[in-house]
Amino acid sequence: ETGVTQTPRHLVMGMTNKKSLKCEQHLGHNAMYWYKQSAKKPLELMFVYNFKEQTENNSVPSRFSPECPNSSHLFLHLHTLQPEDSALYLCASSQVQGSNYGYTFGSGTRLTVV
Amino acid sequence: DAKTTQPPSMDCAEGRAANLPCNHSTISGNEYVYWYRQIHSQGPQYIIHGLKNNETNEMASLIITEDRKSSTLILPHATLRDTAVYYCIVSGPNAGNMLTFGGGTRLMVKP
Repeated sequence: ETGVTQTPRHLVMGMTNKKSLKCEQHLGHNAMYWYKQSAKKPLELMFVYNFKEQTENNSVPSRFSPECPNSSHLFLHLHTLQPEDSALYLCASSQVQGSNYGYTFGSGTRLTVV
Repeated sequence: DAKTTQPPSMDCAEGRAANLPCNHSTISGNEYVYWYRQIHSQGPQYIIHGLKNNETNEMASLIITEDRKSSTLILPHATLRDTAVYYCIVSGPNAGNMLTFGGGTRLMVKP
């Protein structure tokens, strides 16, 4: 375990479903991130939260909706997804400044949209 | 953000040192060099980072050239479990400087 826990590990959903991905960290970090990793592609940054405030939305479609109720929890709400949204979704956390040890990543949620 | 260039793949014999190069010729003065690795279907794992001095920890050593335009990650005694994609990333130390991943180097450690 890295200290960043993602649930569920695997998710299959239909294009009309609504689901949520959850990320939790108890490392005392103040920044949390969502990344997407499609097959054979580099990790793509989706969203950034610093002290619960969203500071980055990397041109992500509105069918992905993040929520950060506190510094320890991050959600990614999914609705009306497309098959091309199938990917590994990774959550990470870090200190806001002076991030001497970079990011700590969770193990990811493998999402399949059918 | 500065961009990095890494070879797409490398092989290494088990027990030998693995030397993974990275070019970052446009790195800025306050940007660090970070190395992460990603074992298949897992989240990336932090390995090491440095600014200008060479660094060593229990996982690896990082050698940064004097002009900071390139670096080398050294795994001193590679094992089969070191087979992974290794990412070299440059980023500043502040809140606005985020990690941007490239394609990395796929290291295959062979028996």
